[in-house]
Amino acid sequence: GAVVSQHPSRVICKSGTSVKIECRSLDFQATTMFWYRQFPKQSLMLMATSNEGSKATYEQGVEKDKFLINHASLTLSTLTVTSAHPEDSSFYICSASDSWGETQYFGPGTRLLVL
Amino acid sequence: QQQVKQSPQSLIVQKGGISIINCAYENTAFDYFPWYQQFPGKGPALLIAIRPDVSEKKEGRFTISFNKSAKQFSLHIMDSQPGDSATYFCAASRDYGGATNKLIFGTGTLLAVQP
Repeated sequence: GAVVSQHPSRVICKSGTSVKIECRSLDFQATTMFWYRQFPKQSLMLMATSNEGSKATYEQGVEKDKFLINHASLTLSTLTVTSAHPEDSSFYICSASDSWGETQYFGPGTRLLVL
Repeated sequence: QQQVKQSPQSLIVQKGGISIINCAYENTAFDYFPWYQQFPGKGPALLIAIRPDVSEKKEGRFTISFNKSAKQFSLHIMDSQPGDSATYFCAASRDYGGATNKLIFGTGTLLAVQP
């Protein structure tokens, strides 16, 4: 089956620093990748959608200058949380879909804690 | 109209019993309905999915029942096992012809299967 990896799985950083999270599709080419955040005991909230080689589309209320997304290849997308603050602490999950675009395969998630 | 309503919020079932989780939607343009299973600290994993042209789909102990006229769909877990204890999310998306098929997630159901 389709496998999506994320790195790192956990990260702790100081307030004001930037953190980069990588999302990779390991055995398929991901035409589209999605970034979600999830707070404890809540559902997944879509942050942005990215297509390879083009700018990401952000959901309403998500600051594009704070959450930088790069989808440089068909197997890699990165999310950079710039100038992180404690309120950015969350579980960040990426997903990827192939050229059919229907099924999304999720990564294992990255737990971010900003002190 | 973009919401997917999910119930119950939590569910306790005895081992061997049937777990039933329900979802309802408003947008009749939705045409893909997946269910995801998520364990604590992990990303969601696709369980089973259905399209509106069928009323039921079964994969092992998992069955989706779909009622197009009522705009409702449900997940049935037969012979529930303690290992099924997880959070389950229904979702819906609209086919944009292979383009960005954003998933709209339900609020989740925390299932606990007691031994």
